[in-house]
Amino acid sequence: QVQLRESGPGLVKPSETLSLTCSVSGVSIGRDYWGWVRQPPGKGLEYIGHIYDSGSTNYNPSLQSRVTLSLDASKNEFSLKLNSVTAADTAVYYCARWRPIEYWGQGTLVIVSS
Amino acid sequence: QTVVNQEPSLTVSPGGTVTLTCASSTGAVTSSYYPNWIQQKPGQAPRTLIYSTDKRYPYTPARFSASLLGGKAALTLSGVQPDDEADYYCVLYSFVGQYWVFGGGTKLTVL
Repeated sequence: QVQLRESGPGLVKPSETLSLTCSVSGVSIGRDYWGWVRQPPGKGLEYIGHIYDSGSTNYNPSLQSRVTLSLDASKNEFSLKLNSVTAADTAVYYCARWRPIEYWGQGTLVIVSS
Repeated sequence: QTVVNQEPSLTVSPGGTVTLTCASSTGAVTSSYYPNWIQQKPGQAPRTLIYSTDKRYPYTPARFSASLLGGKAALTLSGVQPDDEADYYCVLYSFVGQYWVFGGGTKLTVL
């Protein structure tokens, strides 16, 4: 059974860096695509970006200047860093297997506040 | 930047049929956009029902079908059940920018 689980701080101060990790179990993350999506409270889903095993990445143009995705196959996990955060980055962050989009994590709420 | 449009809300009666659509600001949606349809119930994580235009996952009920219709991606629910009440999102691949774009979602009410 494939499971994804997001982890990281639930509270981040403005201007700092949001860092999340997605731990994958039940399947090797090698030679596959993995992505991040977020959902501000009461709003819709927003694509953040996705990464392939080789390390190639694709990002939402509106976030590209602040986002970095990475992948650690040895730990079977992949990560998201979003820098210079503001209150507008407050959201539930989901990780998912991408291309095709299949398995989703349960999501983790990150609040940006001082 | 690509904008993806969906009906903000739709209402359907139990047992009825409803079609949700997904349009791209760049033109007609084709299979090259790899449309996915995602269901989200309140307080739950998203769940992908359809990928690559019309392919169901093993867990996707047969009453959910998808296609390309009139230049849009379409999701049709037949024999709607109360449990189908949820938000439905489509997401399209923008091959020009090589990124994905979500629609704003359709809130489906079963009434």
